[in-house]
Amino acid sequence: SQKIEQNSEALNIQEGKTATLTCNYTNYSPAYLQWYRQDPGRGPVFLLLIRENEKEKRKERLKVTFDTTLKQSLFHITASQPADSATYLCALSLDTNAGKSTFGDGTTLTVKP
Amino acid sequence: GAVVSQHPSWVICKSGTSVKIECRSLDFQATTMFWYRQFPKQSLMLMATSNEGSKATYEQGVEKDKFLINHASLTLSTLTVTSAHPEDSSFYICSAAKTSGGLSYEQYFGPGTRLTVT
Repeated sequence: SQKIEQNSEALNIQEGKTATLTCNYTNYSPAYLQWYRQDPGRGPVFLLLIRENEKEKRKERLKVTFDTTLKQSLFHITASQPADSATYLCALSLDTNAGKSTFGDGTTLTVKP
Repeated sequence: GAVVSQHPSWVICKSGTSVKIECRSLDFQATTMFWYRQFPKQSLMLMATSNEGSKATYEQGVEKDKFLINHASLTLSTLTVTSAHPEDSSFYICSAAKTSGGLSYEQYFGPGTRLTVT
């Protein structure tokens, strides 16, 4: 069955450092992958989408990579700030599903000042 | 932008009553919306896919007669929890799918509804 694993439930880093979150999947061939941010008691917020034929996507301090051979996506936040503290979710989708996605359990990032 | 609203943000109801939750896409049309529930410190669990003008598609294990979904327009989907019981207490979140070009879709989520059944 399809399985999505996000590295360690929690990640703690120092302000100013680069946070790297991992999303690994098995038994799945997604057409595209998304990353979302979720704060406690709130709905997730869309951050970035990357397709299978794209290696890397950037948006301000965010960078996403997608390696279909390794079946892995990396999500980087450079120059991290305490305001970046949140839970980050990866989601995998097929082109045939009209937006339906399978979500990972998330990684909770804490950036300490 | 892509803004999705959800109403109410929280609701307390008595066991046996029904509760309706509304999900609206405010600045775009959404043919497809999704309903999730989320337990504390757990990920999103997809309940059903709501398609405008047709019946919703429910995930395995979700009772369609208990969780009624109506997607009457391109901007509104509703979830009605019928005959609610304490075990239905949860955080319910909707999302609206918006194409980012081609076959890719981004999901824009509402702020969620905290349901407590007493």
